[in-house]
Amino acid sequence: GQQLNQSPQSMFIQEGEDVSMNCTSSSIFNTWLWYKQDPGEGPVLLIALYKAGELTSNGRLTAQFGITRKDSFLNISASIPSDVGIYFCAGYLNTNAGKSTFGDGTTLTVKP
Amino acid sequence: DTGVSQNPRHKITKRGQNVTFRCDPISEHNRLYWYRQTLGQGPEFLTYFQNEAQLEKSRLLSDRFSAERPKGSFSTLEIQRTEQGDSAMYLCASSGGTGGFEKLFFGSGTQLSVL
Repeated sequence: GQQLNQSPQSMFIQEGEDVSMNCTSSSIFNTWLWYKQDPGEGPVLLIALYKAGELTSNGRLTAQFGITRKDSFLNISASIPSDVGIYFCAGYLNTNAGKSTFGDGTTLTVKP
Repeated sequence: DTGVSQNPRHKITKRGQNVTFRCDPISEHNRLYWYRQTLGQGPEFLTYFQNEAQLEKSRLLSDRFSAERPKGSFSTLEIQRTEQGDSAMYLCASSGGTGGFEKLFFGSGTQLSVL
């Protein structure tokens, strides 16, 4: 089936640093989403992207829908301790589908 | 609305027992999803409903798994004759209403441990 590859698998950064992570697929996706999961909780939606090349921000978070439609990127600027968690990308092959595919996540640790 | 609610939060059972989980979605959402997540992995799709109709099931959902959404509101996921490999976090999500189908709102999950 479709697989989303997230990179890096984990990151250890200092508070205040910027963070970049990405998600790639062998298939073309029509919609990309980014979620954050805290321990013991379900994922929470951060950003949704709908068009190739689209750049969308949510506070200090910025995500981009790759031009090839096979990748997406998430940047976090000026990281703070509460950014700690696992960041997942997810994609839909078509916008009418019910099933979304998730990557295996990037675990972010922020050192104060 | 307080969001997606899942019960119980934790379930410990012995191999071979049956377990049932409940999910109450956000009231205005007509789609409801079940995902399974193991440590170090992303959520894996199991099945989803639009209203009371079950529209898609993953091949991961063996004959021992059954999901229902009888009145298009809450849903139950039952696992019969549990196996140790069933140990995982079972996540429910809902979507729809004014937010669009693609944006999933997850519950806090039910953590299943099969001994």
